[in-house]
Amino acid sequence: NAGVTQTPKFQVLKTGQSMTLQCAQDMNHEYMSWYRQDPGMGLRLIHYSVGAGITDQGEVPNGYNVSRSTTEDFPLRLLSAAPSQTSVYFCASITPWGGGEAFFGQGTRLTVV
Amino acid sequence: GQQLNQSPQSMFIQEGEDVSMNCTSSSIFNTWLWYKQEPGEGPVLLIALYKAGELTSNGRLTAQFGITRKDSFLNISASIPSDVGIYFCAGQPLLDTGNQFYFGTGTSLTVIP
Repeated sequence: NAGVTQTPKFQVLKTGQSMTLQCAQDMNHEYMSWYRQDPGMGLRLIHYSVGAGITDQGEVPNGYNVSRSTTEDFPLRLLSAAPSQTSVYFCASITPWGGGEAFFGQGTRLTVV
Repeated sequence: GQQLNQSPQSMFIQEGEDVSMNCTSSSIFNTWLWYKQEPGEGPVLLIALYKAGELTSNGRLTAQFGITRKDSFLNISASIPSDVGIYFCAGQPLLDTGNQFYFGTGTSLTVIP
């Protein structure tokens, strides 16, 4: 079972470059999220989606865009990469409301130089 | 965003010892989750709690959903070297309309053989 699949696993960008982190889930979950993980700060919510066509901002949304055209896919876009966006990014797929659980991909380690 | 205070930040213990960690929030949560993360991997769900006062075990791990609904505890009994990793609590606020989870800053566990 694939669960949540993230690509790429590693990426190095130059400041100002743009890129898209891919996330796909095969569990038919409506709810999906993007987190970033930095040392000593746990996981912080960037953007989330409650279903196809519906997205909203989390705790740290600046510099990131998301879209949700299908239930399966939830890509995260960096418009103009900055060194402060160097982090490990995790995509999560969440079971339905009311006693849900979050399942994570393996992460994308991004370095912006 | 939601504030989750997780303690301790790190623990160094001898193999065979018991471990306790906890998480507190500033607001009422309706779900608490406990995750373990190993290097280079995404967080993996250990235990899920859905009711105040609930006590749930998973092998040597036991977690409790606090009566006030603002805290949760994780205990590991008779630790072994493979318990090494970072443990995260995650909570879903009662009034959150996005079905999202917020994470603690993690407890890094080192088990000395």
